[in-house]
Amino acid sequence: EAQVTQNPRYLITVTGKKLTVTCSQNMNHEYMSWYRQDPGLGLRQIYYSMNVEVTDKGDVPEGYKVSRKEKRNFPLILESPSPNQTSLYFCASSLNGARFSPLHFGNGTRLTVT
Amino acid sequence: AQSVSQHNHHVILSEAASLELGCNYSYGGTVNLFWYVQYPGQHLQLLLKYFSGDPLVKGIKGFEAEFIKSKFSFNLRKPSVQWSDTAEYFCAVNALDSARQLTFGSGTQLTVLP
Repeated sequence: EAQVTQNPRYLITVTGKKLTVTCSQNMNHEYMSWYRQDPGLGLRQIYYSMNVEVTDKGDVPEGYKVSRKEKRNFPLILESPSPNQTSLYFCASSLNGARFSPLHFGNGTRLTVT
Repeated sequence: AQSVSQHNHHVILSEAASLELGCNYSYGGTVNLFWYVQYPGQHLQLLLKYFSGDPLVKGIKGFEAEFIKSKFSFNLRKPSVQWSDTAEYFCAVNALDSARQLTFGSGTQLTVLP
């Protein structure tokens, strides 16, 4: 089944403790992206990647890191999480960019930073 | 920079009522337009899209949207809503000559009362 898989679904952590949210897609998509969803703000793009070893900042990249060493994986890293990063995070992928190919979303990761 | 406005934050309708959700964007050039839907507890999925051609586009589940270039709008419509349409709806825009991939609106929560 074609899908985008994120793990974990729920994560509670403390300020400053490094964490990684994994994202994997099995559709051989070139484009992958991370979004955070906050009430009243919709989805805001954190980082995106057009292909392996190519990543670019989105609207809200501060405090986040990503890597794209393999086509299928696009982990989101929070080196030193802070409470303002408490949010619902979505990973998405598409065949060749969000302009013409629809995005396929993962089920989300709800992160709470205390 | 492009931006997307969804002025209705929460819409409550009874079953069989007609629906229209507003979406306006601020960008003067050529755009691709999308509506995504997020059912409770689920990830976002594509409802419909507009790239070019007939400005009235039809999507899944009886939804349609009309692109009015002069008004910078891409409103979502459905003649008769069902309880199962209860969800959050997001409009998204991509400017074809912009490096930014996709900008989402803040979303409209639709509640359909049985």
